[in-house]
Amino acid sequence: AQSVAQPEDQVNVAEGNPLTVKCTYSVSGNPYLFWYVQYPNRGLQFLLKYITGDNLVKGSYGFEAEFNKSQTSFHLKKPSALVSDSALYFCAVTHGGGADGLTFGKGTHLIIQP
Amino acid sequence: DTGVSQDPRHKITKRGQNVTFRCDPISEHNRLYWYRQTLGQGPEFLTYFQNEAQLEKSRLLSDRFSAERPKGSFSTLEIQRTEQGDSAMYLCASRLAGAKYNEQFFGPGTRLTVL
Repeated sequence: AQSVAQPEDQVNVAEGNPLTVKCTYSVSGNPYLFWYVQYPNRGLQFLLKYITGDNLVKGSYGFEAEFNKSQTSFHLKKPSALVSDSALYFCAVTHGGGADGLTFGKGTHLIIQP
Repeated sequence: DTGVSQDPRHKITKRGQNVTFRCDPISEHNRLYWYRQTLGQGPEFLTYFQNEAQLEKSRLLSDRFSAERPKGSFSTLEIQRTEQGDSAMYLCASRLAGAKYNEQFFGPGTRLTVL
């Protein structure tokens, strides 16, 4: 069975500072990893994905994530946080074979303080 | 709007009633997924379709839950004899499955409240 852990329920960062939202995963086979963001009263929006290739992937709104196979991690990062980045962030995993549904973590509330 | 749409956005029903939700995927997407999201949790995968074929349904929560995608376009999710524990947000997503692994696009969800 596959699983995702987001160890922090909430992350607080001052505007302009770098941010990191942590994610670790467990999956059989090669992982396909995703980050989604959810704003209040809005659907999940795709940010970025790792399928294969470079371990550092860049996505929407200046976000990036680093795939680390040995640590089974896929942490989300941004060099300089904006107040508008405040939202609920989900990490998700699937793999190339078997059922194609995503397994999500519980989510991390990111709060950017002005 | 060319995104994933879901109808209704909100549904309030009494315990024991049947409810049906509709999802219209992005038109060229051949895969369609259903998820359930409860408060404080991430979405939980329920089932998915490749065109009209339902390829995974073991994750449906009970035999009260069923889904269809009869013509490979829109899909419906039905819950029979609703229970208060079925109260949740039901999300639909779609993607184009091909040689490259493309991401899923999510709809706004249907919020179900069972009284």
